[in-house]
Amino acid sequence: NAGVTQTPKFRILKIGQSMTLQCTQDMNHNYMYWYRQDPGMGLKLIYYSVGAGITDKGEVPNGYNVSRSTTEDFPLRLELAAPSQTSVYFCASSYSGTQGYEQYFGPGTRLTVT
Amino acid sequence: QKEVEQDPGPLSVPEGAIVSLNCTYSNSAFQYFMWYRQYSRKGPELLMYTYSSGNKEDGRFTAQVDKSSKYISLFIRDSQPSDSATYLCAMSAYGAQKLVFGQGTRLTINP
Repeated sequence: NAGVTQTPKFRILKIGQSMTLQCTQDMNHNYMYWYRQDPGMGLKLIYYSVGAGITDKGEVPNGYNVSRSTTEDFPLRLELAAPSQTSVYFCASSYSGTQGYEQYFGPGTRLTVT
Repeated sequence: QKEVEQDPGPLSVPEGAIVSLNCTYSNSAFQYFMWYRQYSRKGPELLMYTYSSGNKEDGRFTAQVDKSSKYISLFIRDSQPSDSATYLCAMSAYGAQKLVFGQGTRLTINP
């Protein structure tokens, strides 16, 4: 099992450009999450999904969009990149709340917007 | 007031020392308490999990939860240089869903 994989590992964007961060999990988890982590800060939830076709906003959703067409994939779209979106982005997945408590994280995507 | 407060450190201790990491929280609905360990340039990994109040021990690691004080702790005994990492507390009212993370404490164990 590969677990949670994310691509790309690194990316530099110019202000106003767009990009999609890819996330795939092979554990058949229903729940998937996107977080951002700024230096010296914890993880802030951007969006999450409880199953294919269902997504919901987290704490910091502005400037991002998501979709969930399959159980395995949960891409994060950045439209009109801004310097404030410079961060490390982590994707995670888990079983539903009644089946487990652990979130499994990917290795992260380091994004710089200049 | 943040829902979960954690001293970001950094914390530097000699090898073999006992390390104490702490978090406080304000939401009395939290029932699931976790500690994640994050090595540099890696994703977080679950280290310890406790449901409701009490202690849990796993090798050199002990997690404590005091719901009456809204305070959780992680103790590391006989600390090793390989324990050098950022430790994030996380908690939830709903299991794996909607985890709220602390800022993380950056820990360095000096040989």
